[in-house]
Amino acid sequence: DVKVTQSSRYLVKRTGEKVFLECVQDMDHENMFWYRQDPGLGLRLIYFSYDVKMKEKGDIPEGYSVSREKKERFSLILESASTNQTSMYLCASSPDLAGGETQYFGPGTRLLVL
Amino acid sequence: AQTVTQSQPEMSVQEAETVTLSCTYDTSENNYYLFWYKQPPSRQMILVIRQEAYKQQNATENRFSVNFQKAAKSFSLKISDSQLGDTAMYFCAFSDDKIIFGKGTRLHILP
Repeated sequence: DVKVTQSSRYLVKRTGEKVFLECVQDMDHENMFWYRQDPGLGLRLIYFSYDVKMKEKGDIPEGYSVSREKKERFSLILESASTNQTSMYLCASSPDLAGGETQYFGPGTRLLVL
Repeated sequence: AQTVTQSQPEMSVQEAETVTLSCTYDTSENNYYLFWYKQPPSRQMILVIRQEAYKQQNATENRFSVNFQKAAKSFSLKISDSQLGDTAMYFCAFSDDKIIFGKGTRLHILP
């Protein structure tokens, strides 16, 4: 079974803090994704990566950055957390960027920024 | 730009009933993929069913089936003999070279 894990299920941070969300997949997938999930808005893509050290902006990249130094690990960074970044963050991976590939999701990190 | 619309924010049905979740999408592409994902409360999102647009036959996975109407750009999910474990948020998604999710339908199965 594909396993995608995220470093924290719940996180509380203060405004202005630098926040790291870590995601690890164990199936040698090429592609990894970070989404933000908010009630009534569904999933919105923040960034994705199709290879080590490669990254592409998604629909809402502002206020976020990412890092992919190893194939299995994809980090989401909030350089200076703000209250409007309080959300559920979902990581996903897929074997290929071809349109039909299933995405495998992590359990999510619920971030509260005070 | 492609869009995915789920017109039912929330639904409730009795256990053992059949329920249909609606999804429409907009695209000018001819080749694409459609998905239904399920997110149970406090659990990971998983794939329920997948449909390739060039296949006319509707996909089926056990109690889950889709009604894919390509001309109408409609992709509804039918859950037969619903069970308490089907309680979840359901997301419809469209993909050609990137994936787009709808806003979700929260489904409650009542005992």
